[in-house]
Amino acid sequence: EAGVTQFPSHSVIEKGQTVTLRCDPISGHDNLYWYRRVMGKEIKFLLHFVKESKQDESGMPNNRFLAERTGGTYSTLKVQPAELEDSGVYFCASSQNKGDGYTFGSGTRLTVV
Amino acid sequence: QKEVEQDPGPLSVPEGAIVSLNCTYSNSAFQYFMWYRQYSRKGPELLMYTYSSGNKEDGRFTAQVDKSSKYISLFIRDSQPSDSATYLCAMSDYGGSQGNLIFGKGTKLSVKP
Repeated sequence: EAGVTQFPSHSVIEKGQTVTLRCDPISGHDNLYWYRRVMGKEIKFLLHFVKESKQDESGMPNNRFLAERTGGTYSTLKVQPAELEDSGVYFCASSQNKGDGYTFGSGTRLTVV
Repeated sequence: QKEVEQDPGPLSVPEGAIVSLNCTYSNSAFQYFMWYRQYSRKGPELLMYTYSSGNKEDGRFTAQVDKSSKYISLFIRDSQPSDSATYLCAMSDYGGSQGNLIFGKGTKLSVKP
C-alpha cells in the first residue's frame, strides 16, 4: 500500500510569492488532514477534509491559506501571499475513519525568505 | 497552561536500557492517546494508540494512560540504536470541541551503542 505522498519535499520562496503544496492520501482514505510545525513549536492542526468537504478548518491561520480537495482525492494547500512566519514543515495525514490513527506524509519544508 | 506538556529532552541512554517517556495534559475530555515516532526529515509514524485508561503492549513498547492523573507514558524495553528518534505524544476527544490531534512538542531520544 502506498503511503501518503507530499510534494514538493522542500520549497524556498520569497515573501509575497505564492506556493502550492500537494498531498496524495492513501487510496480509499476519506479523511485528509493538514498540520503544520513551525520551528520550536508543536505540530498544530490546520484543517480536516472528509472526502471533498471541509469538516473543520478552525486551525487555518488566516485567509492567505486556501485548501482544496477536488473530487475527494488529492489535496492542495495554497499560501498567497507568503509571509516569513509561514515558514515551517507542512504535514498531510489521512485515515479511513475519523477515530483511526493517522498516516502522515514526510512533509513539505517551506522556507519563506 | 499548555494543553499537552512534554519534556523535549534530549534524552540519551545506552543500548539495552529501559526508556520512559511521558506527557501530561489538562483537558479531561481527551479519550484517545497516541504515540508517534519521527525520524529526522520524515513524517510522524504511529507507534501506539490507546483509548481511555489502561495499558497496551506491542513488542518492546508499552503505553500507559492514567486519566485520573492526566498522565500518559511510553516505555521502551531493550532499547536499540534504531529507536533513536523524536517521540511525540498526541491526543484527542474525537467528537467534542477538538476533533483533531493535539500534539506535545516531542522528546528527542538517542540510544548509544
